Amino acid sequence: EVQLVESGGGLVKPGGSLRLSCAASGFTFSSYSMNWVRQAPGKGLEWVSSISSSSSYIYYADSVKGRFTISRDNAKNSLYLQMNSLRAEDTAVYYCARLIAAPGAFDIWGQGTMVTVSS
Amino acid sequence: QSALTQPASVSGSPGQSITISCTGTSSDVGGYNYVSWYQQHPGKAPKLMIYEVSNRPSGVSNRFSGSKSGNTASLTISGLQAEDEADYYCSSYTSSSTNVVFGGGTKLTVL
Repeated sequence: EVQLVESGGGLVKPGGSLRLSCAASGFTFSSYSMNWVRQAPGKGLEWVSSISSSSSYIYYADSVKGRFTISRDNAKNSLYLQMNSLRAEDTAVYYCARLIAAPGAFDIWGQGTMVTVSS
Repeated sequence: QSALTQPASVSGSPGQSITISCTGTSSDVGGYNYVSWYQQHPGKAPKLMIYEVSNRPSGVSNRFSGSKSGNTASLTISGLQAEDEADYYCSSYTSSSTNVVFGGGTKLTVL
C-alpha cells in the first residue's frame, strides 16, 4: 500500500525548534519530488516547501524561508522538515505529500502531524 | 489572504451540478496549465481530484471535471451526491518565488 506517515509534531514554545519526519512506503520514494503542506486550525491549505527527487531543487514559501529546512534520505525512504525560530502563526497540521508530474499536483498525502507553537 | 480566490461556499441538491471557480492571475492560473483541485472531508487529508486543469487521477469519479478560461479555473461536479459534501481547494503553479499557491477553499453543502 502506498503510504506516507508523518511524525514529530507537538507543543513547542515560540522561538523553539522541531523536526518533522515523513516515512514513505509502497512506492519508489527516490523517484518523486516531495512536499510539505500545512493547514492552520480552521483555515485553508498553505504550501510550505518542496524538494526534488535527488535534492537538487529546493523551494520554500516566503513565510518560512530562512527558518525551515527541508531534506530527504532516499536510503531511508524519509522526508524531513527542520523548523527553527517557530512562531505562533506556524501552528498547523503539517502534511507531507507526493508530487506527481505536474507542479502543485500532490497525489498521496500523509495523515498529518499537529504542531502547536504556544507559551 | 490567499493567492487564489474561491467562493467561500456553494450548495446544490442531490443530482444537480455545481461549479466552483478559482481566480488567479497571469502569473499562476492564467499562465500555466498546472491547476489542481482537492477535496477535503473534515479531519481528513486532502484528496487530489483534478490535475493539469482537467485530468482525473485513477479512481476519481468522472462526475468531477475541470476547465480553465483566462485567469479563472473551474471545478464542476455533476450528479451531486451526499458524499461530495466537503471543502474544495484549488492550487496552481506560480512563477513567483512561492512555487505553489492554494485558494482559500470552498465549502460545498449538499442540500
